[in-house]
Amino acid sequence: AQSVTQLDSQVPVFEEAPVELRCNYSSSVSVYLFWYVQYPNQGLQLLLKYLSGSTLVKGINGFEAEFNKSQTSFHLRKPSVHISDTAEYFCAVKPNNAGNMLTFGGGTRLMVKP
Amino acid sequence: GAGVSQSPSNKVTEKGKDVELRCDPISGHTALYWYRQSLGQGLEFLIYFQGNSAPDKSGLPSDRFSAERTGGSVSTLTIQRTQQEDSAVYLCASSFEQGQTYGYTFGSGTRLTVV
Repeated sequence: AQSVTQLDSQVPVFEEAPVELRCNYSSSVSVYLFWYVQYPNQGLQLLLKYLSGSTLVKGINGFEAEFNKSQTSFHLRKPSVHISDTAEYFCAVKPNNAGNMLTFGGGTRLMVKP
Repeated sequence: GAGVSQSPSNKVTEKGKDVELRCDPISGHTALYWYRQSLGQGLEFLIYFQGNSAPDKSGLPSDRFSAERTGGSVSTLTIQRTQQEDSAVYLCASSFEQGQTYGYTFGSGTRLTVV
């Protein structure tokens, strides 16, 4: 079984500041990793994913994430945030050998202030 | 269709009534998933369909919850005798399966309020 922990339920940050949203996972097998974003009153949208290869993954809207196998982490970063980045961010994992279900973390609410 | 469509977008119902939530996945997507998002909570897995069969129903919280999928396409999630704790956003997602999953496409959800 897999589990995902997003340590911060809320992250307030000022506009144009850098941000890091933390994600740690637990799994007995190798996994694929995902970040989703949910804007107010909308469904979830895929930001980026790690399947294999380079551990630094770039996604939409200037976000990137780095897979660290030894620390079982997949933290999401953006060097300069905008007001429009205010949203809920979810980290998710899936075993890369079988199964279809994504396991999600509890989410982190990013609040960008002017 | 172009995306995953869910209806209704909002539903207010009285406690004890039955409700049906509909999900129309992306054409050609063989896998379909239902999740529940309660206020301030993460995503809670409910049920997964591969084609018309449901190999994983482990997340359904009680026997008041059921789901079906017909024609390998549209799915309906039914909640009988609704309770106030059923109030949540119900999200549907679909993916194209060929032995691997590379992420889902989500619908915008149905916000269910039980009063």
